Amino acid sequence: NAGVTQTPKFQVLKTGQSMTLQCAQDMNHEYMSWYRQDPGMGLRLIHYSVGAGITDQGEVPNGYNVSRSTTEDFPLRLLSAAPSQTSVYFCASSYGGGGGSSTDTQYFGPGTRLTVL
Amino acid sequence: AQSVAQPEDQVNVAEGNPLTVKCTYSVSGNPYLFWYVQYPNRGLQFLLKYITGDNLVKGSYGFEAEFNKSQTSFHLKKPSALVSDSALYFCAVRSAHFNNAGNMLTFGGGTRLMVKP
Repeated sequence: NAGVTQTPKFQVLKTGQSMTLQCAQDMNHEYMSWYRQDPGMGLRLIHYSVGAGITDQGEVPNGYNVSRSTTEDFPLRLLSAAPSQTSVYFCASSYGGGGGSSTDTQYFGPGTRLTVL
Repeated sequence: AQSVAQPEDQVNVAEGNPLTVKCTYSVSGNPYLFWYVQYPNRGLQFLLKYITGDNLVKGSYGFEAEFNKSQTSFHLKKPSALVSDSALYFCAVRSAHFNNAGNMLTFGGGTRLMVKP
């Protein structure tokens, strides 16, 4: 299994440009999430999905859109990039979302480092 | 709302000495608690978790963590630090109460562990 993959690894955008960060997992996980990591702030949840066709907002959703047309893929779209969106973005997946079993463990991708000028 | 505090931005320890990375949390109901480690330019890797049962949880690479309900803490420990343990460590929490919010973890700001030879 490749696990959770993310592309691109690095990206530089100009203010106002749009782009899509790709995320895919081959573990048949139902739950997928997008986080952004900023210094001293840990990881903050942007959007998440509990299954194909179902998405919801996390803590910091403004300026981002997501869709989940398949179990495997969960792309994150920046509609009009702003310098405040300069960050490292991580995608994560897990099999389940409750019950406290081993399925609660999240698997993270390697991240996408985004700079908005 | 749930939250996690990691009061130390950085912990310095000499190789061979014991290490502790502190974490306190706030959550409604019983907590599920996690520790993740991040090596440079990598995604987060799962270390260990507390769900229920024994308050002392053992995880990967010789790490362990102790759940203390009265102090709402979940400190990460290792009896003898290695230089290769140098990394960024994140504590995370979610409520044990399952709801349609899925597997929403709240992360602390991270603690950088520096182990010197």
